[in-house]
Amino acid sequence: GQQLNQSPQSMFIQEGEDVSMNCTSSSIFNTWLWYKQDPGEGPVLLIALYKAGELTSNGRLTAQFGITRKDSFLNISASIPSDVGIYFCAGQSSGTYKYIFGTGTRLKVLA
Amino acid sequence: DAGVTQSPTHLIKTRGQHVTLRCSPISGHKSVSWYQQVLGQGPQFIFQYYEKEERGRGNFPDRFSARQFPNYSSELNVNALLLGDSALYLCASSRQGQSSYEQYFGPGTRLTVT
Repeated sequence: GQQLNQSPQSMFIQEGEDVSMNCTSSSIFNTWLWYKQDPGEGPVLLIALYKAGELTSNGRLTAQFGITRKDSFLNISASIPSDVGIYFCAGQSSGTYKYIFGTGTRLKVLA
Repeated sequence: DAGVTQSPTHLIKTRGQHVTLRCSPISGHKSVSWYQQVLGQGPQFIFQYYEKEERGRGNFPDRFSARQFPNYSSELNVNALLLGDSALYLCASSRQGQSSYEQYFGPGTRLTVT
């Protein structure tokens, strides 16, 4: 099935470091969602973006809707051990009801 | 308020059998979507239902079907199970079945086909 490209695929970082990841598409989207998923659980919604250029924060998390409408970015500041997990982006095109998910970025934090 | 609930949590079936998975959305949410997540991949869209009507269908065979009930809960049915149907099945609810909506996931049902 169709999936969006997420980068990096995985990353190890030290506790306290900032993290950046991105998601790219060949299609234009009008909505981006970012999720975090822990093993064996459902994805948890972190941030929703609705307009090109929009920058939205949720605590230490900040996400941006790319101006081309084909990409989105997620930043985590001052990472902590509980940030460990898989981060997924999901995009939705105009006129459709489905979300297309990314391949995921696996984050591992070293204490 | 309770989040999205799904049952059962885990299920083991044999090839060729049929399975029914159930989902209850967040109170006040009228739309339910179903996703299949194979190990190591992102969720893949199967269906969306809003007010008991199918609003969208992903690229899945006709063995997959779903319905939504008047209380907005939903069932996903899969017939003639194949080994490749083994996956985590996720249900997501949203307030309305329209474009640009936030959707919230349940814990999933882990289906193993042997």
